Amino acid sequence: DTGVSQNPRHKITKRGQNVTFRCDPISEHNRLYWYRQTLGQGPEFLTYFQNEAQLEKSRLLSDRFSAERPKGSFSTLEIQRTEQGDSAMYLCASNPLSTEAFFGQGTRLTVV
Amino acid sequence: AQSVTQLGSHVSVSEGALVLLRCNYSSSVPPYLFWYVQYPNQGLQLLLKYTTGATLVKGINGFEAEFKKSETSFHLTKPSAHMSDAAEYFCAVSDLGQGGSEKLVFGKGTKLTVNP
Repeated sequence: DTGVSQNPRHKITKRGQNVTFRCDPISEHNRLYWYRQTLGQGPEFLTYFQNEAQLEKSRLLSDRFSAERPKGSFSTLEIQRTEQGDSAMYLCASNPLSTEAFFGQGTRLTVV
Repeated sequence: AQSVTQLGSHVSVSEGALVLLRCNYSSSVPPYLFWYVQYPNQGLQLLLKYTTGATLVKGINGFEAEFKKSETSFHLTKPSAHMSDAAEYFCAVSDLGQGGSEKLVFGKGTKLTVNP
C-alpha cells in the first residue's frame, strides 16, 4: 500500500500522559500536514512541513504540542500532558508540489 | 483569510434522487476548491477539485461541481443518489499554487443520508 499511513489508529490515554503519533507520507511527497478533527467539525490545520522544515504552525498548536519531520520522511506529533479537550481525530496528509493532498486514515485519540 | 460555509449540516435524499450539497467560500486570492468525502472512522478521500480552467469539474463516483465566481460557490451534485453515497462531505479551499502553505481550510461538513 503506497498511501499515507498513520499509527496507531486508536489511542486511549489518561489525562496528563504524553502521547506520540506517527505519519508516513507517500514516498517523495515533500509536503506534510497535520490536521485535527473534533466531533461534528471539519478538519482544522495544525502544522505544515516542507521536507524537514516546519514552515507554519496554527495558533491551535499550543506549547504542549510538538511536531517533527526528521530527514523529511516520516513525521511525529507529540502531545504532552494531555487534556480531555485534546480528544479528537488527528489526520496527516501529504502532497507533492502544488497538487491535492492525500490523507491518511487518522489516529483517534481519547483522553479519559 | 479564507473560509468555507457549508449550508446544511444534514441532508437526506431518497435513493435515485438528486444530491445537492452547498458550499460557499471566501478567499482573497484565486481559490482552489475541493470536495472530500469521509466515511465513519476513516480519513478523507478526494472527490474532485477545481484549480483553473473549466468551471464544471467531474469527479469520482458520478459527482460533479461547478465553480461560480460571481456567487462564490462550489456546490456538489450527483444526478442519482446511491446507498453507498451515505457519508460526510467536506468542502475545502486552499491557496494552492499561490506560493502559500497550501493548507486546506474546511467547512464543517454535510452528512448525507440516503433512504431506500
